[in-house]
Amino acid sequence: GESVGLHLPTLSVQEGDNSIINCAYSNSASDYFIWYKQESGKGPQFIIDIRSNMDKRQGQRVTVLLNKTVKHLSLQIAATQPGDSAVYFCAENSGYSTLTFGKGTMLLVSP
Amino acid sequence: GAVVSQHPSWVICKSGTSVKIECRSLDFQATTMFWYRQFPKQSLMLMATSNEGSKATYEQGVEKDKFLINHASLTLSTLTVTSAHPEDSSFYICSATSGVLTEAFFGQGTRLTVV
Repeated sequence: GESVGLHLPTLSVQEGDNSIINCAYSNSASDYFIWYKQESGKGPQFIIDIRSNMDKRQGQRVTVLLNKTVKHLSLQIAATQPGDSAVYFCAENSGYSTLTFGKGTMLLVSP
Repeated sequence: GAVVSQHPSWVICKSGTSVKIECRSLDFQATTMFWYRQFPKQSLMLMATSNEGSKATYEQGVEKDKFLINHASLTLSTLTVTSAHPEDSSFYICSATSGVLTEAFFGQGTRLTVV
């Protein structure tokens, strides 16, 4: 599984590009996954979720893909904007509402 | 979405003193609240899980006597950092949920600096 506590990897994109942020989760029994966006000095903000009986879910400008075979989750952001710059975390529900967070990815969007 | 309010948003305290952080669910009943700790540029690390009216469950390595958690009502949980030391300086975040497999809503976080 992912190691919590390491420094964040960074994804740099140009405004208007599509962004793909990846996450590997650890618990094959997890049945609910969430992507969060965290801006500096603030708490995480819900973006989109997906249950294990689905492999894709779309929101406004965002799509989450779930591959249970390889325990992989991705977040796709279409037409990335400067306001999307933040740290993105995936989280898996490992039972009884307890969330386990991935290590996060910092997204930097250049105008 | 639902609102979780965390107070204070930042606090500076002297080494050896205690600090209390409040987490309130404003428009829903939180059966479970979670407390996280986050160091700069790192992920959120779960400290403890608390259910209303019962003792908190602490993650391995988290000292329950140092980080006192009280969840006396369905809308309020508190985290008290006792005898704070500079190494306790961190960003503390709470979240609340109303049931299994429902979204957890996060507070704004509290920046604790111990001097």
